[in-house]
Order: sequence, then C-alpha cells, then structure tokens
Amino acid sequence: AQSVTQLDSHVSVSEGTPVLLRCNYSSSYSPSLFWYVQHPNKGLQLLLKYTSAATLVKGINGFEAEFKKSETSFHLTKPSAHMSDAAEYFCSGTYKYIFGTGTRLKVLA
Amino acid sequence: DAMVIQNPRYQVTQFGKPVTLSCSQTLNHNVMYWYQQKSSQAPKLLFHYYDKDFNNEADTPDNFQSRRPNTSFCFLDIRSPGLGDAAMYLCATSRVGSYNQPQHFGDGTRLSIL
Repeated sequence: AQSVTQLDSHVSVSEGTPVLLRCNYSSSYSPSLFWYVQHPNKGLQLLLKYTSAATLVKGINGFEAEFKKSETSFHLTKPSAHMSDAAEYFCSGTYKYIFGTGTRLKVLA
Repeated sequence: DAMVIQNPRYQVTQFGKPVTLSCSQTLNHNVMYWYQQKSSQAPKLLFHYYDKDFNNEADTPDNFQSRRPNTSFCFLDIRSPGLGDAAMYLCATSRVGSYNQPQHFGDGTRLSIL
C-alpha cells in the first residue's frame, strides 16, 4: 500500500535556528511527493514538490526538501526559522494524494 | 490571480438540516476534490471529479453527495448533517488526472452543527 508517514506530530524550534520536519514514504514505484503548509483557518499551500527530477527540491519561503530513495524519505528543511513559519505542515504524495498526519511547527522567540 | 474560492467561509446549520457548500475555480483544472478535515487531523478525501466523472471514496458516508455542473463549480451537499460532520471542508483542484501535479486548495468552509 502507498503511504506517507510524518514522524513528529509537534516540533519546536527557536527563531533563527534550523527546521527539520520528517516524512517517510512507502511506494512500490517512483513517487511524486509534496509538502504543504496550513495556517490557522486557511487551506493548504504548496511549499514544494518532487516529481523524479532533481532530488534536492527548493520551494517557497526558503524551504527545501531532499528525496532519498535509499532511506525512503523526503524531509523538509529550512536553515533559519522565522516566526511566520509557525503552522501545520503536511507531507503528501504517491498514490491518490495521501496526506501524512501533519507536523505542527512552533517557533519560539 | 487564478484561484480556488470556497463559499461561505463559515456555515452554521442545524442537526439534520441539509446544507450545501460551494467551490469555484478559475484555474480551468480537470480535477476537483472535496476533503473533510477535523481538528488537528490530516485532510480526508471524500470524493473527486475528473471532468464529469465522479469518484467516491469507499468510506465516504452516503450522507455526503457532490455535484459538478460545469468545469468551474463543484458543490458538496450534506443531506442530514450530524454532530460528527462538524469540520473544515476543503476544496482542491489539480490539472489532469496524474498524481504528479500539485493540488491547489481553497481556504475552506468551517461547518458547525447546532
């Protein structure tokens, strides 16, 4: 079965420090993978996507993600967190736009 | 800007009283989706339209129906809302039918049941 698993339900970082949000996938074929961000009472906004081109994908707002087939991972990173990054983040992909359970990012001043 | 628009943003209805949520898009995308999202949970796909073809998820209750009269509009009908149907309902679109295209989401309709 195709699936995505977000390994952390909550992540807290201090402003200006790096962000790492983890996502593993399960797929029997080359997956398409996405990261979305959701601010309170808003829809999901696409941050970046992987569709079997470059393994390091750059997205909006300074986020990037690296596709690692050997580790079946697609972790989201940002070098320096900003207060405005506080939100819920969803990994999605493979078959039928399956979503992970989400990671709530908290940024401490 | 091309976008996905959901109306209303907030909807209150009574237990058992039918309610309709609407979604429109200016992206001219083939596929439109309806998701249910409960607090602190991932969006759950209810159904989607690929052009005029309706695709229901196996575990979507019969209480939920959808209509797509044309490319731009899609409606979610809840025939007899129960308290458990209180949630955020998200509409999304994507180009064509392959899963390597990202989805574009509206801002959702938050449904409350009295």
